[in-house]
Amino acid sequence: GAVVSQHPSRVICKSGTSVKIECRSLDFQATTMFWYRQFPKQSLMLMATSNEGSKATYEQGVEKDKFLINHASLTLSTLTVTSAHPEDSSFYICSAFRDRGDEQYFGPGTRLTVT
Amino acid sequence: AQKITQTQPGMFVQEKEAVTLDCTYDTSDPSYGLFWYKQPSSGEMIFLIYQGSYDQQNATEGRYSLNFQKARKSANLVISASQLGDSAMYFCAMREGGTSYGKLTFGQGTILTVHP
Repeated sequence: GAVVSQHPSRVICKSGTSVKIECRSLDFQATTMFWYRQFPKQSLMLMATSNEGSKATYEQGVEKDKFLINHASLTLSTLTVTSAHPEDSSFYICSAFRDRGDEQYFGPGTRLTVT
Repeated sequence: AQKITQTQPGMFVQEKEAVTLDCTYDTSDPSYGLFWYKQPSSGEMIFLIYQGSYDQQNATEGRYSLNFQKARKSANLVISASQLGDSAMYFCAMREGGTSYGKLTFGQGTILTVHP
């Protein structure tokens, strides 16, 4: 089946620094990717929809200047958390949507800890 | 308004018994899909089963079946013959048609614990 990878799986950074998380579709081209955020024992909250070659669509309440999304190719989307703060510590999961009618394939997630 | 509601924060079941995880949804779109995912402690999201709004029959995948009651807007997951490895968090999710095609909305989740 389809495989989506994320890198890194875990990252610890100091407050005020930026962190980049990569999401790759390994065996298919993903026209659309989604970025979710999940706090412990809570649901997945959609942050933004990333479309190849165009600007990301952010959900209400998500700061687009803080969470920069770039979908430069059909196999790679990146999420950059700029000027990270402890409250940004969370589990970030991407999913890739191959085509209409298909299911979403989730990456393994990235656990971000900001100290 | 909550689009997907899972009212059971936690459920307990004895190994080898069946368990039902509840999910109700709210949409005015006639075309939608309902999904169930399992999330073990590792965090990965594992797809379990899918039901389309126009599907006439309830979906089944091995030990998983989806009890789809369209008029009641419910899509409960039934796990038969529970195993210790089924202990995880379970999410119900909905994908609506139209302009939001592809975007999933998740319920709050249910933590299932299987006892030996």
